[in-house]
Amino acid sequence: ETGVTQTPRHLVMGMTNKKSLKCEQHLGHNAMYWYKQSAKKPLELMFVYNFKEQTENNSVPSRFSPECPNSSHLFLHLHTLQPEDSALYLCASSQGVGLGGVTYEQYFGPGTRLTVT
Amino acid sequence: DQQVKQNSPSLSVQEGRISILNCDYTNSMFDYFLWYKKYPAEGPTFLISISSIKDKNEDGRFTVFLNKSAKHLSLHIVPSQPGDSAVYFCAASEHMDSNYQLIWGAGTKLIIKP
Repeated sequence: ETGVTQTPRHLVMGMTNKKSLKCEQHLGHNAMYWYKQSAKKPLELMFVYNFKEQTENNSVPSRFSPECPNSSHLFLHLHTLQPEDSALYLCASSQGVGLGGVTYEQYFGPGTRLTVT
Repeated sequence: DQQVKQNSPSLSVQEGRISILNCDYTNSMFDYFLWYKKYPAEGPTFLISISSIKDKNEDGRFTVFLNKSAKHLSLHIVPSQPGDSAVYFCAASEHMDSNYQLIWGAGTKLIIKP
């Protein structure tokens, strides 16, 4: 039990579809992240939310649209994707700033394997 | 340009021997380093970390060594066990990064041979 869940685990979508990825953390964390992992490449940070506010957008194309309605939930809305967007999309959370100071350890969900056809 | 590099895409080690995974970084502002382990079809899981004020941190079979002058860290696993077969990622962070961003290496696939 990692405390971070992601749905769906697998998704196949056409280039004209609209779909959403969901992430939920049960750890009481304040920061949540979306990463993209392509084969044999480092994890690419896409978005960071800190206390529900988006604090980072690493030049991600607008066809990816994040949403963070509360500190436990994070969505990634997808529309008009390209085949090169096929990858593993990972959600993570971390404690962020707390009484003990900043902690950097991030806790990951299992990921959504996305295939764009 | 990658700020965190894991130059060995894969490593094969005999069960019971020591596994040494290496990581180099270029940003001298990094002051916190982490190792994550990833099994197929799962997200990465945190393994061990080290602050730049230390040069060694140990947790059971896992030890991380930091050489700041060389901008190099390594993860030692001893003795290696079959369950250690996984992809290992090195990550680094700056204390002053208010977004708590981690900069990741590309990973090293460790294979433990029985």
